[in-house]
Amino acid sequence: GAGVSQSPRYKVTKRGQDVALRCDPISGHVSLYWYRQALGQGPEFLTYFNYEAQQDKSGLPNDRFSAERPEGSISTLTIQRTEQRDSAMYRCASSSGLAGNEQYFGPGTRLTVT
Amino acid sequence: GQSLEQPSEVTAVEGAIVQINCTYQTSGFYGLSWYQQHDGGAPTFLSYNALDGLEETGRFSSFLSRSDSYGYLLLQELQMKDSASYFCAVGSNTGKLIFGQGTTLQVKP
Repeated sequence: GAGVSQSPRYKVTKRGQDVALRCDPISGHVSLYWYRQALGQGPEFLTYFNYEAQQDKSGLPNDRFSAERPEGSISTLTIQRTEQRDSAMYRCASSSGLAGNEQYFGPGTRLTVT
Repeated sequence: GQSLEQPSEVTAVEGAIVQINCTYQTSGFYGLSWYQQHDGGAPTFLSYNALDGLEETGRFSSFLSRSDSYGYLLLQELQMKDSASYFCAVGSNTGKLIFGQGTTLQVKP
């Protein structure tokens, strides 16, 4: 079956613009996670959802970052007024259970803010 | 807070056995996971330990000691394709995963 997909795969934007990153989890997976990964580092937790409910957003760096999953499937991570320090690989993962012990990662969106 | 420590690099030869250690400090511990990531790829799940002891999956095994806040990933019969980064991650009862900084494994012929 299809894995986790993310779009766009690459995004170049100018400083100050808003961007929306999309994640399509594995069908039927109830939990969805957003991470940011710098080169040579482990994934850094941003936020996650069980079904449509955002359970934890403690990893979002500031209020320019927001996420939603309105129908409990596709999720969007939005970054407003982008800054150069937002440049990173943004990864989405999903899991079939609520405990999130086994997560399946998507290919990521490489965001570059110029 | 939560923190994990693992070696930054490990080198081994094809056919050998290598152990990657992970120590952690966390509240609300709910298990230790291991992920593999090849250059340019996405992390892929390898194993999960919720209870003390050894879990074996083919050439890979993972161990957990909750009393020592310690675990390891054991890779046997190393192959060139095992060259990758390996991350340990601690989970909480909320589903949140905190990843370590990763160990780069280089397998040499």
